[in-house]
Formats: sequence, structure tokens, C-alpha cells
Amino acid sequence: QVQLQESGPGLVKPSETLSLTCAVSGYSISSGYYWGWIRQPPGKGLEWIGSIYHSGSTYYNPSLKSRVTISVDTSKNQFSLKLSSVTAADTAVYYCARHPGQPRAFDIWGQGTMVTVSS
Amino acid sequence: EIVLTQSPGTLSLSPGERATLSCRASQSVSSSYLAWYQQKPGQAPRLLIYGASSRATGIPDRFSGSGSGTDFTLTISRLEPEDFAVYYCQQYGSSSFTFGPGTKVDIK
Repeated sequence: QVQLQESGPGLVKPSETLSLTCAVSGYSISSGYYWGWIRQPPGKGLEWIGSIYHSGSTYYNPSLKSRVTISVDTSKNQFSLKLSSVTAADTAVYYCARHPGQPRAFDIWGQGTMVTVSS
Repeated sequence: EIVLTQSPGTLSLSPGERATLSCRASQSVSSSYLAWYQQKPGQAPRLLIYGASSRATGIPDRFSGSGSGTDFTLTISRLEPEDFAVYYCQQYGSSSFTFGPGTKVDIK
């Protein structure tokens, strides 16, 4: 059974960098699929942040692209998100999820982790 | 960027009734790249439908998807108590994903 688990600080100061990791179990990242990050501000809808292939190729939400870096560590079977220069608007539940190349739908999700941006 | 609009914002129905949720795109979406999710409070979204009309693994057949181009529909034939939740549509195009704002299905 494939499982994803997010981890990282729950509180980040404004202007700093938010860093999260998603550990994958039950499936080897190197075997394929894309791995993505999606966020959800409290009481609001879902926003895709970006995705990475096991080879390391990435694509990002154009509205966040200048601040986002997603990387993969196949030796640890995990992938990571870095979001720089955060503000209160980046406060959200952050989910990691998997999607195949075809169709492009997120079929397995982590439980999510709440990140608050506050001084 | 393709913008998705969902209607209605809230749908108040009773168990056993039929629910029809709409998702409209600002430009044509490939049917292969249209999906629907269910989200309950405090939980991650769950994939229901992909490719506009294919049910994901383990999804009951009371859930069905249809549509093409800019207009897509999620239908729940007979609402069960566990179906009261928020539903999101999602599309992929031009190397980017977008989600609709969601439709809340609540108990009348």
C-alpha cells in the first residue's frame, strides 16, 4: 500500500523559507510517477504548487514559480518543497500527492501538514 | 491559465436524492485531464473520477462523471450519508494544474 507522509516545521517566520519533506512508502519513487505539492489555506480551496518526476524534471505553478523549488532524493525515497520569502498568505495545509503521467490526476495523497506563517 | 468554475456553490439535499454538480472551464479541456475529488473536513482530498468519466479504484458506481470541452458534470445517483462533503474538479493543461472552487453538498 502506497503511503505519503509530510513533515516539517509547523511555524515559519515571514520572509523566511518554508521547507517540507514527503516520505513515500510502499512504492519506489524511481519506478515512475510524478510527485507533487498542493496547498489549501484555511477554509479555502486547493492550489497546485508544483510537481517533479523521478528523474528530477520539474514544473511549477506560474504564480509561485519564482519562489518554489521541488527536489527528489531517490536514495531516501522522498521529495521536498522549498518556498521562499513566505508571507501570511502562504499559511495553509500542505499536501504531497502522486500523479501518473496519464491521466493527470492525483491518486494518492498524504494526510497534510499545517504550516502557519507568523512572527 | 484555465479557470474552472463550479456550480452551485452549495447543494442542499437529502439522503437518497440525486446530486448533479457542474464544472465549467474558461477554455476547452482535454477529457483525459479532467478529474473530480471529494474532501471531508480534516481529511485530504480523495480522487473519485479521472479522465472525465472513469471511476478511481474503490469508488462506488453511484458516482459518475460526464462531459467534454468546457462543461463537465459529476453525478451522485443516490446520496449516502457519507457523501456529504465538498467536491472539487481539477484540470491539467499547458503544464499546469488548476482546481475549481468547490461545491459543498450538505444535508437538507
